Amino acid sequence: GAGVSQSPRYKVTKRGQDVALRCDPISGHVSLYWYRQALGQGPEFLTYFNYEAQQDKSGLPNDRFSAERPEGSISTLTIQRTEQRDSAMYRCASSATSGTPTNTGELFFGEGSRLTVL
Amino acid sequence: QKEVEQNSGPLSVPEGAIASLNCTYSDRVSQSFFWYRQYSGKSPELIMSIYSNGDKEDGRFTAQLNKASQYVSLLIRDSQPSDSATYLCAMNTGNQFYFGTGTSLTVIP
Repeated sequence: GAGVSQSPRYKVTKRGQDVALRCDPISGHVSLYWYRQALGQGPEFLTYFNYEAQQDKSGLPNDRFSAERPEGSISTLTIQRTEQRDSAMYRCASSATSGTPTNTGELFFGEGSRLTVL
Repeated sequence: QKEVEQNSGPLSVPEGAIASLNCTYSDRVSQSFFWYRQYSGKSPELIMSIYSNGDKEDGRFTAQLNKASQYVSLLIRDSQPSDSATYLCAMNTGNQFYFGTGTSLTVIP
């Protein structure tokens, strides 16, 4: 697609429910990143993929959070048993370059998925 | 997480003035540094990248990098009201990008 697409744009759920957030990166982009951004804060790294391989998931807050990118394109971030503290904007970004010690590639961000847990 | 520190502001400058935004980072291995602009309610967008010590100019924007001091800055000359936004400093270590908390800039007409 022309840009990074995220869905849903807004999600309201009740505590304890599972949610799945989807990211469709720019076509051909190798790297895909997930960030969480609280109001007035910078993006907080969660995890990233090169192609279908999850390279780093050290930013995932706990084992309720998981992500996958099975075919190296679309990615899903899943939050199980949601809690109120999970409420935030979840942003996906993609980058064309990968595999180099110094990644000089630009990150292209989607519009984000705003999650509200009641 | 790697540390990227920014003054959260808010920073206010009159139209036409120079806005100076600063950032320090903790990881000496980091090679690439970026400034992203984020308008309220929007996603971040890249405005400058810098990889070598010294200055890099692009129009009204100048990024400055000092790896010895682990310091990167952004100067905006002839500030315009349309520059009012949050500016995020970011560094790249390996294939990971880490962001600061952002500095809110308001340019007063």
